[in-house]
Amino acid sequence: QKEVEQNSGPLSVPEGAIASLNCTYSDRGSQSFFWYRQYSGKSPELIMSIYSNGDKEDGRFTAQLNKASQYVSLLIRDSQPSDSATYLCAAHGGSWGKLQFGAGTQVVVTP
Amino acid sequence: EAGVAQSPRYKIIEKRQSVAFWCNPISGHATLYWYQQILGQGPKLLIQFQNNGVVDDSQLPKDRFSAERLKGVDSTLKIQPAKLEDSAVYLCASSVLQGAANYGYTFGSGTRLTVV
Repeated sequence: QKEVEQNSGPLSVPEGAIASLNCTYSDRGSQSFFWYRQYSGKSPELIMSIYSNGDKEDGRFTAQLNKASQYVSLLIRDSQPSDSATYLCAAHGGSWGKLQFGAGTQVVVTP
Repeated sequence: EAGVAQSPRYKIIEKRQSVAFWCNPISGHATLYWYQQILGQGPKLLIQFQNNGVVDDSQLPKDRFSAERLKGVDSTLKIQPAKLEDSAVYLCASSVLQGAANYGYTFGSGTRLTVV
C-alpha cells in the first residue's frame, strides 16, 4: 500500500473554475502536510502547508485537513492557465522530517 | 536568501559508468535530503542527513549508491556503476527542523540523469 495516494489525473479544469485535488495518507502518525506544485521539467515548489484539522487559505489556494479520515485536499479557486502543473501531496511523520510524497495529480487549465 | 544549489543540471552517461552530483543547501539548514524522481512518479527519499550524520538511508541502493556530507554543509551523491533504471531527476532539498514539526522543504533545481 502506498503511503500517500493521489489521483494521477489529468484533471481538466476550465479557466476561472475551481480545481479540487485529493490526497489520502496511511500513516496515522503524520503530523504535517504539504502541497507542492511542479511544472514540467522543474523542481517541486512548496505552495501550502497545513498542520491542524480544518481549512487554511492562502490567496487562491485552500488546503483542507481531516486527520480522522486521513485526508488532505487542495482547492484552487479562479484557476488560471498558469496553474497547469502537477500537484504533489506530501505527509510528514516522525521527528526527523522525512516527507512521503504521492505520485502527483496533473492539472490542466483550459482557456 | 540563496536557494539550494545543485550541479550539474544534466548528465548523460553510459550504463556501468559512474556519476556524482553535488548539493549546497540553504545556509543554516541542518537537514539535507536526496530524492530520486522517476518520470511520472513522486520524489522518493534516498538519504537524509542531519548535520553530517545519516538519519535515514533505508531506500538507498547501497550496492551502487553512496552519499556523504562533509562538515555538515555540502553533499555529494554518487552512483557506481549506473544502471538504465537510474535514469531520473535527483533532487536535493534542505530544511529547518523545529521539534517534531517540519516546515517544508526547499528543493534545488535538480540533476536530470540519463543512462544509456
